[in-house]
Amino acid sequence: DIQMTQSPSSLTTSVGDSVTITCRASQNVRSYLNWYQQKPGEAPRLLISAASSLQRGVPSRFSGSGSGTEFTLTIISLQPEDIATYYCQQSYNTPRTFGQGTKLAI
Amino acid sequence: QVQLQESGPGLVQSSETLSLTCSVSGDSISGSYWSWIRQPPGQGLEWIGFIYYNGNADITYNPSLKSRVIISVDTSKNQFSLKVTSVTAADTAVYYCARDSAHYMDAWGKGTTVTVSS
Repeated sequence: DIQMTQSPSSLTTSVGDSVTITCRASQNVRSYLNWYQQKPGEAPRLLISAASSLQRGVPSRFSGSGSGTEFTLTIISLQPEDIATYYCQQSYNTPRTFGQGTKLAI
Repeated sequence: QVQLQESGPGLVQSSETLSLTCSVSGDSISGSYWSWIRQPPGQGLEWIGFIYYNGNADITYNPSLKSRVIISVDTSKNQFSLKVTSVTAADTAVYYCARDSAHYMDAWGKGTTVTVSS
């Protein structure tokens, strides 16, 4: 299985800050890397697919980059509604695997 | 717009079989991949497996669960299902179904909580 490791696991931030979350894969996943946002009591929501493709309806303050084994999710000018847990997930092969999550707090 | 809805018992006895169904509206079951994912309380996401149906069913399971999991499809009802046999407390989780479109899960059900009771 491909292991996905996110850092940090948690982050205390402030409204208006910029936030960067890193995701590392244990082997090359090319650009088959997705980012999801999950708020408490809700299902995950796809934010970014293929490492950098922003989904329709996702604010432009979210961006993704990277390829191979190292990826980043950046949120510019954090808003209160961005407080959530963020997961990366590889879709290069099966089993699909997720990072352990990064929980944002204010 | 595609919508998914999980249904099934919220409480299952230890050693018995967990059975869930995902009802899909706004898209055909045929020609797409459909996944099951679970999330134990306070923990991260675990992919259980997916099914692709286009006349024949092509199913892939997570090896960690493969011996206890069955995923199937009912095209007449536009539904797909999950069975997990011989459940233990470790199978207590929120179970989600999702559409897996071209390498990403772009539509999710709201999730259903399953508790395994001893």
